[in-house]
Amino acid sequence: EIVLTQSPDFQSVTPKEKVTITCRASQSIGSSLHWYQQKADQSPRLLIKYASQSFSGVPSRFNGSGSGTDFTLTINNLEAEDAATYYCHQSSSSWTFGQGTKVEIK
Amino acid sequence: EVQVVESGGGLVQPGGSLRLSCTASGFTFSSYEMNWVRQAPGKGLEWVSYISSSGSTIHYADSLKGRFTISRDNAKNSLYLQMNTLRAEDTAVYYCARCYSSSSGRTMDVWGKGTTVTVSP
Repeated sequence: EIVLTQSPDFQSVTPKEKVTITCRASQSIGSSLHWYQQKADQSPRLLIKYASQSFSGVPSRFNGSGSGTDFTLTINNLEAEDAATYYCHQSSSSWTFGQGTKVEIK
Repeated sequence: EVQVVESGGGLVQPGGSLRLSCTASGFTFSSYEMNWVRQAPGKGLEWVSYISSSGSTIHYADSLKGRFTISRDNAKNSLYLQMNTLRAEDTAVYYCARCYSSSSGRTMDVWGKGTTVTVSP
């Protein structure tokens, strides 16, 4: 099973700051890495597919990068509505998710 | 509007069975692969099962050990998850999620609001 490890587990940031979340895979997964946002009491929402492709309707402040084993989700100019837990997900083999990163707005 | 709506959750005793349903609308259900994903209370996401558009290809998470069965009825625009020999650790919100497929691979682009399964005496 491919294990995805996100860091940090929690981040408290002020509006307009930049947030960086990393996701490391236990083995190479190419670009089969996706990012989801889950707000409190809501279902997950696809933000970034295949490591760096923005999904339809997602604000341009969300960006993804990386390949192989190391990936990054960057949120530029953070807004209050971005308070959520963010998950990475790999679809290379027997799909798995990272443990999640909770982003709190100060 | 493209959407999927789950139903069938509830309270069940350990060792019991439950059948979840997911009804799709707003898109051609028979053309899409589908998944079930679950989330235990206060925990992260766990992929459960995948089924191809025709139902001919099925995959499960290794942790389920043959207790769950995914199926679909394209004539009814419906996806199902039959869950047997339920355990306390199966307590979770179960999400139905549509596959987004391309030449680059697959992910999940449309999610329902989920249905809650509670396994308790």
